[in-house]
Amino acid sequence: AQSVTQLDSQVPVFEEAPVELRCNYSSSVSVYLFWYVQYPNQGLQLLLKYLSGSTLVKGINGFEAEFNKSQTSFHLRKPSVHISDTAEYFCAVSPPNTGNQFYFGTGTSLTVIP
Amino acid sequence: GAVVSQHPSRVICKSGTSVKIECRSLDFQATTMFWYRQFPKQSLMLMATSNEGSKATYEQGVEKDKFLINHASLTLSTLTVTSAHPEDSSFYICSARMVGGTDTQYFGPGTRLTVL
Repeated sequence: AQSVTQLDSQVPVFEEAPVELRCNYSSSVSVYLFWYVQYPNQGLQLLLKYLSGSTLVKGINGFEAEFNKSQTSFHLRKPSVHISDTAEYFCAVSPPNTGNQFYFGTGTSLTVIP
Repeated sequence: GAVVSQHPSRVICKSGTSVKIECRSLDFQATTMFWYRQFPKQSLMLMATSNEGSKATYEQGVEKDKFLINHASLTLSTLTVTSAHPEDSSFYICSARMVGGTDTQYFGPGTRLTVL
């Protein structure tokens, strides 16, 4: 079985400061990893994904994430946040070749303070 | 590319009525579409997986007779909430997996259902 843990439910950070949103997962098989962002009253937008290859993945809006197999983590980072980054962020895992079953974390609410 | 739309974006209905929500992949064909439900300040809960031309697979605890799913074509899936009650009020989000694509789901903008 797979599970995803996002340890921080809320993360306040000042504008132009760096941020890290944590994601740990549990799985008995290899998984694909994703980060999605959700703005208020909207659906989810893909930020980045790790399928294979380089463990450092760069996404949209200046975000990046690093896959760490030994620590079963996929933390999301941005060196300098903007007000527009205020949103809900979801980490998700998907075992390959399973019909694309996704398992989502509970989300982290990022609030950027002016 | 890879745009998914949902219609309507917001619906208010009376208790006991049925509501249909459409999910369309606009610029790609989707072998599989997924329906999620999201409560305020919570994560997405998978309700069902629908494959074109076959019956949907429902997650444990989801009433298939209440949440009817039809996936009539490679670009359209519908979710009908039958005999809706106030507890069915929620944010419903669909996603689609591209034919021959990688294991990435593309999400619609969601439908806010309010049952009075």
